Amino acid sequence: AQSVTQLGSHVSVSEGALVLLRCNYSSSVPPYLFWYVQYPNQGLQLLLKYTSAATLVKGINGFEAEFKKSETSFHLTKPSAHMSDAAEYFCAVSDGGTNAGKSTFGDGTTLTVKP
Amino acid sequence: GAGVSQTPSNKVTEKGKYVELRCDPISGHTALYWYRQSLGQGPEFLIYFQGTGAADDSGLPNDRFFAVRPEGSVSTLKIQRTERGDSAVYLCASTDIKGGVTGELFFGEGSRLTVL
Repeated sequence: AQSVTQLGSHVSVSEGALVLLRCNYSSSVPPYLFWYVQYPNQGLQLLLKYTSAATLVKGINGFEAEFKKSETSFHLTKPSAHMSDAAEYFCAVSDGGTNAGKSTFGDGTTLTVKP
Repeated sequence: GAGVSQTPSNKVTEKGKYVELRCDPISGHTALYWYRQSLGQGPEFLIYFQGTGAADDSGLPNDRFFAVRPEGSVSTLKIQRTERGDSAVYLCASTDIKGGVTGELFFGEGSRLTVL
């Protein structure tokens, strides 16, 4: 069985500050890991994914995440927050293979960016 | 190009009624997924289609829920005898062959179901 824990349901940062959203996972097989973003009244959009290649993954809008097997973590970071980054962020894990799209999602972290 | 389209965007119904939710995937995407997102939670997997067949329906909560994809494109999620606990946003996602290997999903905006 797989599970995802996102630490902090709400994170607030100032514009220009570092963004750090935490994700820990549990998986019995080598995982595929994802971060999705959901803006108000929009569908989930893939930010980035880890599929067993490079452990540091770069995504859209300046976000990146590092896969750390020893810590079972896949934290999302961005060096400098922008107002447009305010959204809900979801971490997800799947076991890859022929059903890689069957993901287990965390409960989400709402990011607020203060001017 | 067009993304995943879901209709209706909002549906309010009464307890015990039957509901159909429709998903029109991105053209050419062979894999289609249904997820359910309850308030304050992340999406939960319901069912996965590869072509016309349900390859994995392990997430359907009970036999009141059923989904079809008769021609391998549009899918309909059907809920019989709705209950208040069925209230949620129902998300549809599709992916192409490459995405099916890497797990990248393209989501629609969802259908918000409210059961009174």
